[in-house]
Amino acid sequence: AQSVTQPDIHITVSEGASLELRCNYSYGATPYLFWYVQSPGQGLQLLLKYFSGDTLVQGIKGFEAEFKRSQSSFNLRKPSVHWSDAAEYFCAVAARPGNQFYFGTGTSLTVIP
Amino acid sequence: DTEVTQTPKHLVMGMTNKKSLKCEQHMGHRAMYWYKQKAKKPPELMFVYSYEKLSINESVPSRFSPECPNSSLLNLHLHALQPEDSALYLCASSLTGGGHFTDTQYFGPGTRLTVL
Repeated sequence: AQSVTQPDIHITVSEGASLELRCNYSYGATPYLFWYVQSPGQGLQLLLKYFSGDTLVQGIKGFEAEFKRSQSSFNLRKPSVHWSDAAEYFCAVAARPGNQFYFGTGTSLTVIP
Repeated sequence: DTEVTQTPKHLVMGMTNKKSLKCEQHMGHRAMYWYKQKAKKPPELMFVYSYEKLSINESVPSRFSPECPNSSLLNLHLHALQPEDSALYLCASSLTGGGHFTDTQYFGPGTRLTVL
């Protein structure tokens, strides 16, 4: 069955520490991959996306993600977390070809001073 | 302008009411989307309009009726809802449609709906 999994429901990091959020997918062919962030009471904002090419993708707000085909993963990273990064993070996939788009279950990030 | 606006911000309705949610964008986008997000859950795709035509309906109950009067406006008409329909309803738009989801989706802040 096709699925996208975010194993970590909640992560707490100290401000200034590095961050890695995990995302694993299970699809017949490599899907289009996305990371979105949702701040409290707000809609979602795209951080970055991967379709093909360089497996290390740079996004907004200092985030990057690495696609690893062998591990069916698309993990999000940030070298130094800021308090304003506290939010819900969703990995998302779009099947190719096809008309399917799914969000993962989300990871809630808390940043402590 | 990369803004998607949604009105109202909050809506409380009874199970016999008829109400509508409105979404608007002026970015020239030709695809618009409705999502439903329950508390502590990810958004779930409901409908996609591409070039003002309904292109995806994710088996949504008929008590939800989408409408796209023009390329800038998307409505969601609500009728005879159930308490379990209480959720945050998010609208999004993207440059093109076609159902391939490769274009960046820009999301509105959502309408928080409570059904009593």
